[in-house]
Amino acid sequence: GAVVSQHPSWVICKSGTSVKIECRSLDFQATTMFWYRQFPKQSLMLMATSNEGSKATYEQGVEKDKFLINHASLTLSTLTVTSAHPEDSSFYICSASKRTGIYNEQFFGPGTRLTVL
Amino acid sequence: DAKTTQPPSMDCAEGRAANLPCNHSTISGNEYVYWYRQIHSQGPQYIIHGLKNNETNEMASLIITEDRKSSTLILPHATLRDTAVYYCIVHRGVNAGNNRKLIWGLGTSLAVNP
Repeated sequence: GAVVSQHPSWVICKSGTSVKIECRSLDFQATTMFWYRQFPKQSLMLMATSNEGSKATYEQGVEKDKFLINHASLTLSTLTVTSAHPEDSSFYICSASKRTGIYNEQFFGPGTRLTVL
Repeated sequence: DAKTTQPPSMDCAEGRAANLPCNHSTISGNEYVYWYRQIHSQGPQYIIHGLKNNETNEMASLIITEDRKSSTLILPHATLRDTAVYYCIVHRGVNAGNNRKLIWGLGTSLAVNP
């Protein structure tokens, strides 16, 4: 199988606090993980690409100092939303890349619902 | 990567086949057609992908036209649990060593009705 988990599944925090979301590949090693954000009734928007042991590559318009990504091992990547504000409330989804045959396929986590009060 | 066009919504009766179309008229020769779906408040789920031949797996069938400018995802016997947003993405394959990002459109919201 290729299972990706996220923790927590939902979180509510006060404005100004920081929130950490974990993404784990449970039964495979992932050299690359991706972080997406999805607002209601909108599509997934890629925030950043995370490679194990190196700095993440952020998409245009995504503040790297606000959305800190750490990919310290082949099975774990974390996204920290620093000084969260209500406009950061969203559904955050990670995916992990697994080699299948000659390809690397992406497998998605269940998502984390962040609500900032 | 080529862009895709999908109808925003579709309805289907439970037990009937659901045929979801996708246009990708600017697809290039080395791009694959991928289908994912997203059930409400969950992460996307891979369904199927293909290059030029029709493909079938336990979830669905993928029919790609000969000119590859469009495709149709077929759910042969839709159930209520198939209610989801279905995304068609064309992508240069995720070749080993090349983790090119997926570009997501708005997809088709499929409602399966009892």
